[in-house]
Amino acid sequence: DGGITQSPKYLFRKEGQNVTLSCEQNLNHDAMYWYRQDPGQGLRLIYYSQIVNDFQKGDIAEGYSVSREKKESFPLTVTSAQKNPTAFYLCASSIHGRAGELFFGEGSRLTVL
Amino acid sequence: DAKTTQPNSMESNEEEPVHLPCNHSTISGTDYIHWYRQLPSQGPEYVIHGLTSNVNNRMASLAIAEDRKSSTLILHRATLRDAAVYYCILRDLGNAGNMLTFGGGTRLMVKP
Repeated sequence: DGGITQSPKYLFRKEGQNVTLSCEQNLNHDAMYWYRQDPGQGLRLIYYSQIVNDFQKGDIAEGYSVSREKKESFPLTVTSAQKNPTAFYLCASSIHGRAGELFFGEGSRLTVL
Repeated sequence: DAKTTQPNSMESNEEEPVHLPCNHSTISGTDYIHWYRQLPSQGPEYVIHGLTSNVNNRMASLAIAEDRKSSTLILHRATLRDAAVYYCILRDLGNAGNMLTFGGGTRLMVKP
């Protein structure tokens, strides 16, 4: 079945370490997004990409980096520069330029020890 | 970006209809109104979207005010599985990012 796969589901890291979260989709969608969610809060946009080899900063990009080398993949790296990285991270995709729905993955929960 | 305002929480009885309101007084002509819902520890799930006319699908109905400054998501018969956080979002096709900005949403509690 088509969908978005995020891995790992749970991740622990020590302070000062970089960590990369994987996001893969087989929906043939052009656009992909990364959101961060803190407990009891809504979603905040980190980065988005409309096409391969192009991406744009969202509202809270500092301390994060992304790449979009393939249409189906949009990994997110949480760097040591991110001061408060413990959060629930959500990846999504959509058909570019259309008003249709956003498809979300199941999320990755990152905890910094 | 145009923003939305929703009540923090609402309560409903099982098997009864639920009307979830959303205000978006600064909506622009190119903004679509989207609704998503999120269960605990899961990614949001698309519910419905519309531009000007009321919309129906198997999950819910969306009623859009004539001036488009507010909308209402209608769950016709609430079940316990409908207990979730419901987000009302505006999606601007005129924005190069074509992305959605999520606010705090409405936490719907369904009582048996």
